Amino acid sequence: GEDVEQSLFLSVREGDSSVINCTYTDSSSTYLYWYKQEPGAGLQLLTYIFSNMDMKQDQRLTVLLNKKDKHLSLRIADTQTGDSAIYFCAEKDSARQLTFGSGTQLTVLP
Amino acid sequence: DAGVTQSPTHLIKTRGQHVTLRCSPISGHKSVSWYQQVLGQGPQFIFQYYEKEERGRGNFPDRFSARQFPNYSSELNVNALLLGDSALYLCASSLMGNSYITDTQYFGPGTRLTVL
Repeated sequence: GEDVEQSLFLSVREGDSSVINCTYTDSSSTYLYWYKQEPGAGLQLLTYIFSNMDMKQDQRLTVLLNKKDKHLSLRIADTQTGDSAIYFCAEKDSARQLTFGSGTQLTVLP
Repeated sequence: DAGVTQSPTHLIKTRGQHVTLRCSPISGHKSVSWYQQVLGQGPQFIFQYYEKEERGRGNFPDRFSARQFPNYSSELNVNALLLGDSALYLCASSLMGNSYITDTQYFGPGTRLTVL
């Protein structure tokens, strides 16, 4: 079945860039998503990328997709303390169902 | 516009009991999906409904069931609760149009279920 993997933890200094990585196995993935979850809250959609694109930029967020290696990354520029949260990568398969990774806990240090 | 709403926010049950969780989608959205998020893990897909019909089911036992009403709201039911059912239950809504763009899922705040 489909599998999405992420590193568990990332720690950066305020003002630096953060890069969160994700790998997936389903070659039929159509869209790939990044969601943010703050403590005790639901998931907030950050951005998404279609599988025939290799880059998408949205303000401080840059998504890079390497379809050959099935590798997705999310870069957050000028990371702020308010960016501290868990970030989930998710892929949508041909059945239009989302498969999520286990999440990356981003900690922003002052 | 209101986002996806879920009720209740927290719930405590004992093993063997039954629970009903409720979800109201974003106005205009016709599809609702349910996910289970166990502590420390990503959400796992349970069901998707569109226009009152089940469009997808994840790998969950028959103790889990759901339905969607004419106003597109939805209920998730879990029978014979087990300790392992303790989790955050998330509801997501989407337009579920023909385009994958309109199929983007927006999540509610979740219902925290604790089974003792």
